[in-house]
Amino acid sequence: DQQVKQNSPSLSVQEGRISILNCDYTNSMFDYFLWYKKYPAEGPTFLISISSIKDKNEDGRFTVFLNKSAKHLSLHIVPSQPGDSAVYFCAALNSGGYQKVTFGTGTKLQVIP
Amino acid sequence: DARVTQTPRHKVTEMGQEVTMRCQPILGHNTVFWYRQTMMQGLELLAYFRNRAPLDDSGMPKDRFSAEMPDATLATLKIQPSEPRDSAVYFCASGLGQGYQPQHFGDGTRLSIL
Repeated sequence: DQQVKQNSPSLSVQEGRISILNCDYTNSMFDYFLWYKKYPAEGPTFLISISSIKDKNEDGRFTVFLNKSAKHLSLHIVPSQPGDSAVYFCAALNSGGYQKVTFGTGTKLQVIP
Repeated sequence: DARVTQTPRHKVTEMGQEVTMRCQPILGHNTVFWYRQTMMQGLELLAYFRNRAPLDDSGMPKDRFSAEMPDATLATLKIQPSEPRDSAVYFCASGLGQGYQPQHFGDGTRLSIL
C-alpha cells in the first residue's frame, strides 16, 4: 500500500522554464511534508518542507504547495537549471509518530540546456 | 559539513553469504534509520533506532535481516543468508529526533547478490 505516490517517474523541462513535480498521499494523519533531492551515487538531501497548517512555502527558486483537501502537494522550481537534474522524492510524516517518514517512489527530473 | 558515513559503498557477493553494512551517524544525532531503495517501492524504511534502542523494525524481513547499534557511533545492518532479491541500495540516515528536523542521509551501500 503506497501511501505516498509520485505518479510521474520522469519529467523533462527546458532550462529557464518551470518544473512542476507532483505528489499525492492517502493517509490523512500525515501533517508534515518534505521534498528530498537525490543525485546519482549520493544519498538524498533535504530540499524544502511544509507543515499542514500552511498551503505554501517558498525558498528561493523552490516553492512547495499543499492542497490538504485533495491530499496533493507539488514542488515548483523556477527557473529550472541543469544542476536541478536529479531524482526528487516526496515524503510525509505524522507528527504523532516518531519521525517515521514515508517516501514516494521518486520523479527523475531532467533539465535540458 | 558533518556527514553520515556508510561502508562499504559497493558490495558484490554470492547468494547465501553474510553481508554486513555499517553506518556512522552524525555526532550528536540520536536517531538512526535504515532504508532500502528499490524501483518499485522507492525508499522503504527497514529499521529505526532512537538513543541506540530499536523502536521499529517492522519493515525488515526478520528471518534474515538484523539491525543493531553497538554504540552511538556505529549502526549495522546484517543479512544472513543473502538472496538475489536483496540486491538494492541501502541507505542509513540520522537525525536529531526533534520536531520536524530532516534526516541526513549517507551515500548508500550498493549491494549485489549473485
